[in-house]
Amino acid sequence: AQSVTQPDIHITVSEGASLELRCNYSYGATPYLFWYVQSPGQGLQLLLKYFSGDTLVQGIKGFEAEFKRSQSSFNLRKPSVHWSDAAEYFCAVGLTQGGSEKLVFGKGTKLTVNP
Amino acid sequence: DADVTQTPRNRITKTGKRIMLECSQTKGHDRMYWYRQDPGLGLRLIYYSFDVKDINKGEISDGYSVSRQAQAKFSLSLESAIPNQTALYFCATSDFWAGGISMQFFGPGTRLTVL
Repeated sequence: AQSVTQPDIHITVSEGASLELRCNYSYGATPYLFWYVQSPGQGLQLLLKYFSGDTLVQGIKGFEAEFKRSQSSFNLRKPSVHWSDAAEYFCAVGLTQGGSEKLVFGKGTKLTVNP
Repeated sequence: DADVTQTPRNRITKTGKRIMLECSQTKGHDRMYWYRQDPGLGLRLIYYSFDVKDINKGEISDGYSVSRQAQAKFSLSLESAIPNQTALYFCATSDFWAGGISMQFFGPGTRLTVL
């Protein structure tokens, strides 16, 4: 069955440090991959997406992610974290089933940023 | 104005009551979705609709029903609320994209508490 694993439930980094959030997926076909961010009390905002082509994708707020087919991974990175990046991050894989399409989400990684 | 709105934003109700959560969108998208979010579980799909006449169950539809009143409106009902339906509920929309999986845009969420 299709699934998304975010191995880290909670990560704490210092402001200015680099960040990498891990995401592994299980899906037989070409994956459509997404990262969303949920700030406290807010809905989900799309950070970036991978559909095809260049495996390093740039997103909003200085985030990037790299698709590695051999590792079934789509890790999110940021070179220097800002306090405003404190939020929960969700990786998702888009898949088609029986003529319909849907997103399957990971369980999320909560990011705390220390001053 | 927000593209995807949800009402109410917060609701406290009692076991056995009927509750309706409403979602409206101004994005002109045909596709609408209802998810619930529980701590540590990520987002799980309840129902989705690809147009006004198309309603589909997601992975956790038991205890819920939906109504697609118009292209822009998609309501979620709990016929007889129970405490384990306490969660954060999100509505999302997307447009059809022939190239693959379309991006979903999320509303701000409704926090529902069932006592």
